[in-house]
Amino acid sequence: DAGVIQSPRHEVTEMGQEVTLRCKPISGHNSLFWYRQTMMRGLELLIYFNNNVPIDDSGMPEDRFSAKMPNASFSTLKIQPSEPRDSAVYFCASSFELAGTDTQYFGPGTRLTVL
Amino acid sequence: EDKVVQSPLSLVVHEGDTVTLNCSYEVTNFRSLLWYKQEKKAPTFLFMLTSSGIEKKSGRLSSILDKKELFSILNITATQTGDSAIYLCAVEPRTLLSTLGRLYFGRGTQLTVWP
Repeated sequence: DAGVIQSPRHEVTEMGQEVTLRCKPISGHNSLFWYRQTMMRGLELLIYFNNNVPIDDSGMPEDRFSAKMPNASFSTLKIQPSEPRDSAVYFCASSFELAGTDTQYFGPGTRLTVL
Repeated sequence: EDKVVQSPLSLVVHEGDTVTLNCSYEVTNFRSLLWYKQEKKAPTFLFMLTSSGIEKKSGRLSSILDKKELFSILNITATQTGDSAIYLCAVEPRTLLSTLGRLYFGRGTQLTVWP
């Protein structure tokens, strides 16, 4: 079984550039989560979708961040313009909402460095 | 605001030692508590606990939940160098709208096992 797929695995960009992170959830999963992990703040939920609909985006830091899920098998997280403080590992996770078994499975992450 | 606190933040032991990692939480309408292990990449699922007092075991790892005192412990016996990782605790509240699997993560415990 393919797990959650994220691309790119590493991204180095300059301040002010647009960054797009991509995620393919596990087939059949109906919830998708975007997290950011830093040493200072740990693992933070940015936004999550259920059945392709954004449910809670209160974790999105500011208007520079946006996320979409056009279909059940693809989601993007975009940062425009990027800033050095956005440097972090961004994880995508998916789960299948079923009582008692909605464990989240994480992708390998995208390590973003903004210079 | 919902909160998950893990302790200690960091732990260094020798192979063969037994360790206990702690997770306390404050969450509205608790549904489940999950433990994840994070090595160099993405967090991987270890346990989900929903009922108080029932121990979950997997090899040398075990975990138990106390819903009255609002905490969980993760025990690792006869530790090995391969147990070195960050151990994350997450709590899922039961939402009013639906059970969407939103998790609140603690900062994690960094476990280092020396040979």
